[in-house]
Amino acid sequence: SQELEQSPQSLIVQEGKNLTINCTSSKTLYGLYWYKQKYGEGLIFLMMLQKGGEEKSHEKITAKLDEKKQQSSLHITASQPSHAGIYLCGATIRGGTASKLTFGTGTRLQVTL
Amino acid sequence: GAVVSQHPSRVICKSGTSVKIECRSLDFQATTMFWYRQFPKQSLMLMATSNEGSKATYEQGVEKDKFLINHASLTLSTLTVTSAHPEDSSFYICSARRGWMVDTEAFFGQGTRLTVV
Repeated sequence: SQELEQSPQSLIVQEGKNLTINCTSSKTLYGLYWYKQKYGEGLIFLMMLQKGGEEKSHEKITAKLDEKKQQSSLHITASQPSHAGIYLCGATIRGGTASKLTFGTGTRLQVTL
Repeated sequence: GAVVSQHPSRVICKSGTSVKIECRSLDFQATTMFWYRQFPKQSLMLMATSNEGSKATYEQGVEKDKFLINHASLTLSTLTVTSAHPEDSSFYICSARRGWMVDTEAFFGQGTRLTVV
């Protein structure tokens, strides 16, 4: 069963609009990671969250981890075509192998002009 | 920053042959590396955890005799797809973490696109 669920699965937004992607775990997390991928290429690290309630920002992207450490959101402000790609949340799960990173289902983002 | 290099980026092989994919950590030692497989329009599926100096740990449903993993040094892990068939065609990607700590960034290789004809 998928331990990490992402929503939505795909998203089409107009350039300049804001958007949010969610990642939900059925288990408490050690750490939550956000990556971006262009299809068929490697992963680009965006952010890592560890503490409940933590929030980090980089340029126009903000990621939050809830207090229970089971849900994270990725918010993009004023989207641009360069934001298009596949966004993946990954997590190390409490109770599992400490360093093993598993991934969510992914969200495919398209930004239209 | 730390870099993980994966080679080759693309490979085409004939059905029945074996293919080796290399994953190197370039500026840090990785006691553990991970191998993932990605199908078109899907997320990354963890195949196995590669442990330096010991046997790899395979995820449920992954054939260990089909996907041979060797982690002979602290900077190199290899994945060999043995007797490849068209259904093995996929995007394979490796990852490495600096040490055992769970709060360290996981670095990813560029991925290898395998096509079996």
